[in-house]
Amino acid sequence: TQLLEQSPQFLSIQEGENLTVYCNSSSVFSSLQWYRQEPGEGPVLLVTVVTGGEVKKLKRLTFQFGDARKDSSLHITAAQTGDTGLYLCAGAYDYKLSFGAGTTVTVRA
Amino acid sequence: DSGVTQTPKHLITATGQRVTLRCSPRSGDLSVYWYQQSLDQGLQFLIHYYNGEERAKGNILERFSAQQFPDLHSELNLSSLELGDSALYFCASSPRTRGNTEAFFGQGTRLTVV
Repeated sequence: TQLLEQSPQFLSIQEGENLTVYCNSSSVFSSLQWYRQEPGEGPVLLVTVVTGGEVKKLKRLTFQFGDARKDSSLHITAAQTGDTGLYLCAGAYDYKLSFGAGTTVTVRA
Repeated sequence: DSGVTQTPKHLITATGQRVTLRCSPRSGDLSVYWYQQSLDQGLQFLIHYYNGEERAKGNILERFSAQQFPDLHSELNLSSLELGDSALYFCASSPRTRGNTEAFFGQGTRLTVV
């Protein structure tokens, strides 16, 4: 059982459209991270959110941490083909850094 | 480049054999995490070391073991290998052991057991 549940599992959209990926848990995290992974490569850290209700923007990506620090979302505006990849959320508890199963995002030209 | 180095990049070995995967963390990072990633299991946490001491274990098989040395590099030992152990193995390093544990991943070792 995954501590962090991500949805949807797969997402395919046209270039220029917007998308949102969700990460939910019943546990409270001191911080939550989002990573992007390309095939055959290691995950790359995109952002860390720490404070409940926090919103962080990274160019066309907007990350939000829930008020109760149990959930998070990633919103991409005007997606580009370069946004294609596996998006993973991760949270730390009891010295373990656990990952969700990921959302595979495909942006079609 | 994350600054985390994993060797070897690829490894092909036979069932029943033993292999050692090596990880050099980013300069200054004291934490090392090991993960196994297969197509149907996602990124599974195996074990976490901080400054030479084991801090947490995940779903790590008894046939697998790890250690972190005084120079902070880490090794993951996999023994009595089975076909199902074929996967990508990643290590990640972090400056912290708890709290805001941002992790920086290596390129991984692709293990194929034949």
